[in-house]
Amino acid sequence: DTAVSQTPKYLVTQMGNDKSIKCEQNLGHDTMYWYKQDSKKFLKIMFSYNNKELIINETVPNRFSPKSPDKAHLNLHINSLELGDSAVYFCASGRQALNTGELFFGEGSRLTVL
Amino acid sequence: KQEVTQIPAALSVPEGENLVLNCSFTDSAIYNLQWFRQDPGKGLTSLLLIQSSQREQTSGRLNASLDKSSGRSTLYIAASQPGDSATYLCAVYNQGGKLIFGQGTELSVKP
Repeated sequence: DTAVSQTPKYLVTQMGNDKSIKCEQNLGHDTMYWYKQDSKKFLKIMFSYNNKELIINETVPNRFSPKSPDKAHLNLHINSLELGDSAVYFCASGRQALNTGELFFGEGSRLTVL
Repeated sequence: KQEVTQIPAALSVPEGENLVLNCSFTDSAIYNLQWFRQDPGKGLTSLLLIQSSQREQTSGRLNASLDKSSGRSTLYIAASQPGDSATYLCAVYNQGGKLIFGQGTELSVKP
């Protein structure tokens, strides 16, 4: 029943490691996103994909690499993790490209880098 | 560059009060504005979506207004309940295709 689901919900890892977060939506949306929520609870867009094609790529280190195998999935891979990568990462999906419709969010993946 | 500001940052009210949360944005060229609710440790729940051509939207005890020309939106909560306690986030879809968030208002409704 979950519309946008992310795994894992919690992730604790050491600096320098590589980790991935997976996201799946069953809403039939064409557009998916990754957002980062920092320690001050501020949400900022990282990436947006429409039908597996990257359409928004904010100023994000190239250690972050999104991958969309199909329009229902958008995974986030992070190489060489740093302390500053600790945050909650939210996946979202929407009905249309350019974000003109309503956005639905997953429950977040809390990443802690030690 | 679009900036979204929410005032107040935190609000504490007794149960039963009506309250207003404020959101302002610097660039009026938006597609729509969305209000979300975030409970601690949880994701975001969409509350109301107002298209740029609309002035307000209502859902139950919630009413959101939009004045695009002045760059303002308000979320009105009637007869507040302890279960309304959460962080409320305002976000605008700008013409660059991005959803830009404010920093939220943390609401606490005391029984």
